[in-house]
Amino acid sequence: QLQESGPGLVRTSDTLSLTCSVFGGSISSRGFYWGWIRQSPGKGLEWIGSLYYSGRTYYNPSLKSRVTMSVDTSKNQFSLNLTSVNAADTAMYFCARVSRFVYGPLDSWGQGILVPVSS
Amino acid sequence: DIVLTQSPDTVSLSPGERVTLSCRASQSVSGNNLAWYQQRPGQAPRLLIYAASNRASGIPDRFSGSGSGTDFTLTIRSLEAADFAVYYCQLYGPSPYIFGQGTRLEIK
Repeated sequence: QLQESGPGLVRTSDTLSLTCSVFGGSISSRGFYWGWIRQSPGKGLEWIGSLYYSGRTYYNPSLKSRVTMSVDTSKNQFSLNLTSVNAADTAMYFCARVSRFVYGPLDSWGQGILVPVSS
Repeated sequence: DIVLTQSPDTVSLSPGERVTLSCRASQSVSGNNLAWYQQRPGQAPRLLIYAASNRASGIPDRFSGSGSGTDFTLTIRSLEAADFAVYYCQLYGPSPYIFGQGTRLEIK
């Protein structure tokens, strides 16, 4: 089970910061990666990035310059930072477990968190 | 880049009927790395099918996937009320994900 948390509103040009807590299993389990996906009405589902418990990260090239992901194995959590946000970053943000390999199927999802970006 | 095109955009059917949804890739998909997800209103997507035809854990056998190369289908037989949702296909590994635009399955 995964659960996203973060602010309910982010101001334009600020940094969006979200955390995903993993329950019922270890984030350090071998063979699983962890990812962020967002969904907005205009662009559908968009993969943001993924990481492994070791800290190795993989980012969407279109967002790479603004994205940083990190993992805290002691808290069984991983996080997303998206800098210099604008209205186009308004979306539902989901965290998910990635199975089998780095770009594997997304076999478990959090419920999502809506993040509006407003000036 | 590969583009996934789903059809139809919307389909209206009644409970008990059978439906086949299509996902077409602009280039051949290697290794059949194609997944299907169901998204009910207000919920996160749920993995239904991976590797084109393998049901994910807990998915009833009313759901089946098939296809290879550029053409993939998801079939749902004997539709139930909970099946009316949006369905997405997704291309995965070894390259970053590509999602289709989705097909809305609505009650007639």
